[in-house]
Amino acid sequence: DAKTTQPPSMDCAEGRAANLPCNHSTISGNEYVYWYRQIHSQGPQYIIHGLKNNETNEMASLIITEDRKSSTLILPHATLRDTAVYYCIVRLQGAQKLVFGQGTRLTINP
Amino acid sequence: SAVISQKPSRDICQRGTSLTIQCQVDSQVTMMFWYRQQPGQSLTLIATANQGSEATYESGFVIDKFPISRPNLTFSTLTVSNMSPEDSSIYLCSTDQGGQTQYFGPGTRLLVL
Repeated sequence: DAKTTQPPSMDCAEGRAANLPCNHSTISGNEYVYWYRQIHSQGPQYIIHGLKNNETNEMASLIITEDRKSSTLILPHATLRDTAVYYCIVRLQGAQKLVFGQGTRLTINP
Repeated sequence: SAVISQKPSRDICQRGTSLTIQCQVDSQVTMMFWYRQQPGQSLTLIATANQGSEATYESGFVIDKFPISRPNLTFSTLTVSNMSPEDSSIYLCSTDQGGQTQYFGPGTRLLVL
């Protein structure tokens, strides 16, 4: 699986959009971009994934650049409960395992 | 999405003993995975468990230390054997639905004294 690079930490004000970047410059054409988050001491929570097109669900939006070398997870209206470690992972469809990096620790401030 | 439960949610154990962690899924799944998260660290895959076959272990993890059972399509256990304080971690199971998305259980917090 390709390696991802994320900033170790970010801060965002409550109610504002949180934009979390991820670099995956060695991603291959059939690898998906997945985002998970882990709220303190809980199991990781799936957020969203995509291949080429931008994706949106009830939790977040995923913007993937045209060259697919980077992506951004957007939490449109961050709340205090969004404080967590966010993991960006690239993964082959049908691949068995997820390889977690260190993620970005997002802190939402009141 | 699959609903996954784990037992126990936490435990404190003495060194040299063993603990078996249970993972129950509310639907039949082909693949189940066991991860370890050491304090302050990210998740590391221990092994993959398919029903009806031996578990596949990642580099650095061995069956004698982390035996796994997978008796049916909704259940798996991970045993942490002959524990030492270095085994203090969160242990998480997950399932893979249709090769698309993995969902995780709440984790088992283990402290070894």
